[in-house]
Amino acid sequence: AQSVTQLDSQVPVFEEAPVELRCNYSSSVSVYLFWYVQYPNQGLQLLLKYLSGSTLVKGINGFEAEFNKSQTSFHLRKPSVHISDTAEYFCAVSEGYSTLTFGKGTMLLVSP
Amino acid sequence: DGGITQSPKYLFRKEGQNVTLSCEQNLNHDAMYWYRQDPGQGLRLIYYSQIVNDFQKGDIAEGYSVSREKKESFPLTVTSAQKNPTAFYLCASSPGTSQETQYFGPGTRLLVL
Repeated sequence: AQSVTQLDSQVPVFEEAPVELRCNYSSSVSVYLFWYVQYPNQGLQLLLKYLSGSTLVKGINGFEAEFNKSQTSFHLRKPSVHISDTAEYFCAVSEGYSTLTFGKGTMLLVSP
Repeated sequence: DGGITQSPKYLFRKEGQNVTLSCEQNLNHDAMYWYRQDPGQGLRLIYYSQIVNDFQKGDIAEGYSVSREKKESFPLTVTSAQKNPTAFYLCASSPGTSQETQYFGPGTRLLVL
């Protein structure tokens, strides 16, 4: 069965610093990987997704993620964060025809 | 303007009462989903539907019921059997397959009086 682990529940950073949000998954077959962002009291919005092909995926708002099959990871990165990036970030995985399984989320806290 | 609407934004339930959360989409998507979000728990799937008049249980279906009589609508009823209903409920839709992006509504916060 598929599962997702987001290793950090909170990541505090200063504005303009780089950030990496970690995501590891477990699956016995090929997977599709997603990162979603949730601003306070709102629904989720897709940042980026990996389906196949290039392992480096670029998304909206300057975010990117790298699929690493050997390490079963899909970490999210941004070279320079803004205050407006403060939000909760969810990694999710699906395999075959299955539904999405979400991680528990990482709260990114950007301070001036 | 295409999207997903959920209503109401806040909902209060009394003990022993059933309440229904509305979800409507005008994206012409085949699949629709209901998730429950609790602090620190991520999103957990309650029910999903891939086609009209058909739906499947997710990971935490007990105490909930759904219907899918129209493509655009996927209402969720929280029954009195759900003993801990206080949560943020999110509805989503997608064109259909597991590769497709899910589009989320703004959510309904359910509180128990």
